[in-house]
Amino acid sequence: DTGVSQDPRHKITKRGQNVTFRCDPISEHNRLYWYRQTLGQGPEFLTYFQNEAQLEKSRLLSDRFSAERPKGSFSTLEIQRTEQGDSAMYLCASSRTGTGGNDEQFFGPGTRLTVL
Amino acid sequence: QKEVEQNSGPLSVPEGAIASLNCTYSDRVSQSFFWYRQYSGKSPELIMSIYSNGDKEDGRFTAQLNKASQYVSLLIRDSQPSDSATYLCAVSFGGSNYKLTFGKGTLLTVNP
Repeated sequence: DTGVSQDPRHKITKRGQNVTFRCDPISEHNRLYWYRQTLGQGPEFLTYFQNEAQLEKSRLLSDRFSAERPKGSFSTLEIQRTEQGDSAMYLCASSRTGTGGNDEQFFGPGTRLTVL
Repeated sequence: QKEVEQNSGPLSVPEGAIASLNCTYSDRVSQSFFWYRQYSGKSPELIMSIYSNGDKEDGRFTAQLNKASQYVSLLIRDSQPSDSATYLCAVSFGGSNYKLTFGKGTLLTVNP
């Protein structure tokens, strides 16, 4: 399978704990995105990497959230001191620079976080 | 604030009919437009992309873009029960990062 992969698929944690999610993009893709989706809503942008550089962070991403993409390969998203409001599906997508800048993003299966 | 609007539905069509899904967006500078299909409990799956005015066809799917009216639509011909899902419209509003802004999605139900 050469698609985007995410791990874990499900995570249940208690409020106040730290959690870390991993995303492995499609191998030739240089761009990687994190989104968050709650029930009944479309995905919301969190952050974006081009290669190893984190180029934009949404205002949704509080200081409890941090993301890395060492060596421009896989990425991790860490949430510290989780809150019940962090419960959501965390989606990773990847893309590559296309002709004319067009950019199709392909999503991984997501990590569903439940904070008790 | 740049926004993408979709009718939340549900939209119900009989099997074999044409399903029409609509989306409007707020920024005339928008560059790229995408339709994703999302089954319940699953992640979004890209089904169509469109970048210029007019129609783009791929199998049973046709995307239509009208930048002057800030409107993009998706037609599904010969709808099948397996098409029952939420359809998400996504727009890249330009800039250097190509992030997507999504609508809330339209729930489509195809009745056998």
